[in-house]
Amino acid sequence: GAGVSQSPSNKVTEKGKDVELRCDPISGHTALYWYRQSLGQGLEFLIYFQGNSAPDKSGLPSDRFSAERTGGSVSTLTIQRTQQEDSAVYLCASSFGGTHEEYFGPGTRLTVL
Amino acid sequence: AQSVTQPDIHITVSEGASLELRCNYSYGATPYLFWYVQSPGQGLQLLLKYFSGDTLVQGIKGFEAEFKRSQSSFNLRKPSVHWSDAAEYFCAVGADNDMRFGAGTRLTVKP
Repeated sequence: GAGVSQSPSNKVTEKGKDVELRCDPISGHTALYWYRQSLGQGLEFLIYFQGNSAPDKSGLPSDRFSAERTGGSVSTLTIQRTQQEDSAVYLCASSFGGTHEEYFGPGTRLTVL
Repeated sequence: AQSVTQPDIHITVSEGASLELRCNYSYGATPYLFWYVQSPGQGLQLLLKYFSGDTLVQGIKGFEAEFKRSQSSFNLRKPSVHWSDAAEYFCAVGADNDMRFGAGTRLTVKP
């Protein structure tokens, strides 16, 4: 079956612009995660969705970052008024229930000029 | 909140040599424990996981890891490293609504 997909694979934007990153999780997976991986760094947790529960937004670095998940499936991560420090690879993962056995997408490489 | 420490930022081993990557975690109970591998230009791939039961878990690509509660460790091992194992390795801890990753250990394999 299909794995986690993310689009676009690469995004170059100018400072101050808004961007939207999309994640399609594995069908049937109820949990969805967003992470950020900066060059040479580990993974930074951003946000977690589990079923219809309120998302855990504790990892979002600022109020410029937001995410939503429609119909318990596709998720969009939005970054408003992008800054150069937002440049990173944004990874999405999904898992079934609360197992935390996450399957990762290929990521979106965001470059803010 | 839980945390994960990978003490070694970079490790170099010769091909055919044994490997051990260290991982220590901090959590009040027994969390779910994972090792992921990220090859250059690739996404993260799950190597193995520990939820409960036997503390020695086998994973893909000949890797294994041992959960030691007394040491709060979950070290990754492989008896004989192959050149294709060169990658970044991440230990992760999951519990409740949270998942934390270590900073990663970069493995270089010498011919």
